[in-house]
Amino acid sequence: SQELEQSPQSLIVQEGKNLTINCTSSKTLYGLYWYKQKYGEGLIFLMMLQKGGEEKSHEKITAKLDEKKQQSSLHITASQPSHAGIYLCGAYSGAGSYQLTFGKGTKLSVIP
Amino acid sequence: NAGVMQNPRHLVRRRGQEARLRCSPMKGHSHVYWYRQLPEEGLKFMVYLQKENIIDESGMPKERFSAEFPKEGPSILRIQQVVRGDSAAYFCASSTAGYGNTIYFGEGSWLTVV
Repeated sequence: SQELEQSPQSLIVQEGKNLTINCTSSKTLYGLYWYKQKYGEGLIFLMMLQKGGEEKSHEKITAKLDEKKQQSSLHITASQPSHAGIYLCGAYSGAGSYQLTFGKGTKLSVIP
Repeated sequence: NAGVMQNPRHLVRRRGQEARLRCSPMKGHSHVYWYRQLPEEGLKFMVYLQKENIIDESGMPKERFSAEFPKEGPSILRIQQVVRGDSAAYFCASSTAGYGNTIYFGEGSWLTVV
């Protein structure tokens, strides 16, 4: 079965600093989702990547998909306290699968 | 537009009781998914439904758990005879179609079994 490993597990950054979160798959990636979750709350959709080399940006967050490396990265530029939370990557369990397998998350804290 | 709506947000049940969790998908979405998040564990897929059909229930425990998505009304995740190990956050998600479409999650229903 597919496994997604996220690194780092937790991250503390000073406000204004850039940061990167990685998500590495044990198998070929067929679609990769990024979500943000605050403790005790639901998941907020950030981005979905489907093709190798694809890169998407929204406000100060950029996500890339490296299909060959079976990896995706999420980059936040000039972090703000509002970026704090748990970032989750999820990927389809296989070609044509409807199930998303999720990583265990990266907890981000931003110090003002 | 309203997002994926789940209720109740928090539910406390005694061991042996039944828990019913409801999910109304986003407007225009006919595909519903249920996931479970156990303490200190990641999100795990449970079941995928379309209107009146269960498409994939491979992540559902074999006993006590059932799900439905009727023609009218919300999707229901039903847990019979709850045990302490059922305590978790249950998330519903929806999409306009299946594979490859944006999947939106609800706020979750937190079940505590005492």
